[in-house]
Amino acid sequence: AQRVTQPEKLLSVFKGAPVELKCNYSYSGSPELFWYVQYSRQRLQLLLRHISRESIKGFTADLNKGETSFHLKKPFAQEEDSAMYYCALSPGGSRLTFGEGTQLTVNP
Amino acid sequence: KAGVTQTPRYLIKTRGQQVTLSCSPISGHRSVSWYQQTPGQGLQFLFEYFSETQRNKGNFPGRFSGRQFSNSRSEMNVSTLELGDSALYLCASSLAGVHQETQYFGPGTRLLVL
Repeated sequence: AQRVTQPEKLLSVFKGAPVELKCNYSYSGSPELFWYVQYSRQRLQLLLRHISRESIKGFTADLNKGETSFHLKKPFAQEEDSAMYYCALSPGGSRLTFGEGTQLTVNP
Repeated sequence: KAGVTQTPRYLIKTRGQQVTLSCSPISGHRSVSWYQQTPGQGLQFLFEYFSETQRNKGNFPGRFSGRQFSNSRSEMNVSTLELGDSALYLCASSLAGVHQETQYFGPGTRLLVL
C-alpha cells in the first residue's frame, strides 16, 4: 500500500526567507508524485509534478528515490504563497493518495 | 472553459438518510474521481469513473456508490448515512485519467450528518 507523510502540519516563515515543505512516501513501485495547493477560498489545484521537472511560481521539487522524498522548495517566500499544500502520490492513472497537508503562512 | 461544478454545495441530512451528490466535469473530460475530505482522515480516494464504468475503487464501505452518465457527469450516493460521513466531498476530472494527467478539482459539496 502507498502512503504519503507530511511531517509538518503548520509552517511559518517570513517573507523573503527560504521555505521547504517536506514530503516522504512509501511505495514499492515507481510512483508519480505531485504537489497540490489550496489557496484560501479557492479550489485544490495542481502546483507541479515530478516528471515535468518544472518550476511553478518559483517552487521546485526533486524526487529522491533513495530517501523516498519529494520536498517542495522555494528560495524566497512571498506572502501570496500562504496556502495549504498537499503532497500526493499516484501508482499510475488518476487515483491519488494525499498526505495530510502543510499549512504554510508567510509573514510580512 | 468552465471548471468542474458540483451540486449542491451544502447539504444537511440526518442519520439513516441517503444522499446523492452530483459532479459535472470539464467539457471533454471523461474521467471523474471522487474524494472524501475530513479533518481526521484527510483526503481519501473514493472511486473513479471512466466511460460510464467504475475503473478504480478506494477502501470505503458499500454504502458509498457512484455512477457516470454518457455525458460524463457523475453522481455519488451514500446510503444509510452515519455521523462519520460528515465531510467535504470533492470530485476531480481529467481527460482520460491516465499517466501524469492533470486533475481539475471542483469546489466540493459539504455534507453535514446530524
